Amino acid sequence: NIVMTQSPKSMSISVGDRVTMNCKASQNVGNNIAWYQQKPGQSPKLLIYYASNRYTGVPDRFTGGGYGTDFTLTINSVQAEDAAFYYCQRIYNSPRTFGGGTKLELK
Amino acid sequence: QVNLLQSGAALVKPGASVKLSCKASGYTFTDYYIHWVKQSHGKSLEWIGYINPNSGYTNYNEKFKSKATLTVDKSTNTAYMELSRLTSEDSATYYCTREKVRLWAFAYWGQGTLVTVSS
Repeated sequence: NIVMTQSPKSMSISVGDRVTMNCKASQNVGNNIAWYQQKPGQSPKLLIYYASNRYTGVPDRFTGGGYGTDFTLTINSVQAEDAAFYYCQRIYNSPRTFGGGTKLELK
Repeated sequence: QVNLLQSGAALVKPGASVKLSCKASGYTFTDYYIHWVKQSHGKSLEWIGYINPNSGYTNYNEKFKSKATLTVDKSTNTAYMELSRLTSEDSATYYCTREKVRLWAFAYWGQGTLVTVSS
């Protein structure tokens, strides 16, 4: 079964900084990756689909990239409301495996 | 607008079963699969499986094949997940979710149901 590995597990950055987090698939998934944001007590929210397509209403400071096995989510000029957990997920094929998540904290 | 309304929190005893519900509205229920996702406290998300409401076809994560049973009631636009032989490892929040057409990503989520397994 496919394994999705996210790194780092957590990061602490300042408002206005640029941050990049990673997601590595154990096998080639093409561009079949989505990214979600989850804040405490809330359901996950879709940010990015097909690796690099921003979902409706997602601010353009969120950018997804990558293909095959290595993917990134970049947030340019991080805002206070971006503090959350971020998860990648293999989409289209089953199992729809999620990564372990990256916790983004603001200093 | 698409809405997935899940049943309330459940406190169940070890060894028992529990049946969670997810009532869909705002779209044609039989047009989209319903997926279920588990999130243990402080942990990541685990995909449990999906059901095709039109045919009843199910596809499970191997890990949950003997734990979860997915069903639907088309007359009430409601999806169900029954969890059996509950242990403390099953204590978690469970979400129902739906893909958006052609995106294959989970654009719509229920609010989650907290299941606590305790004697």
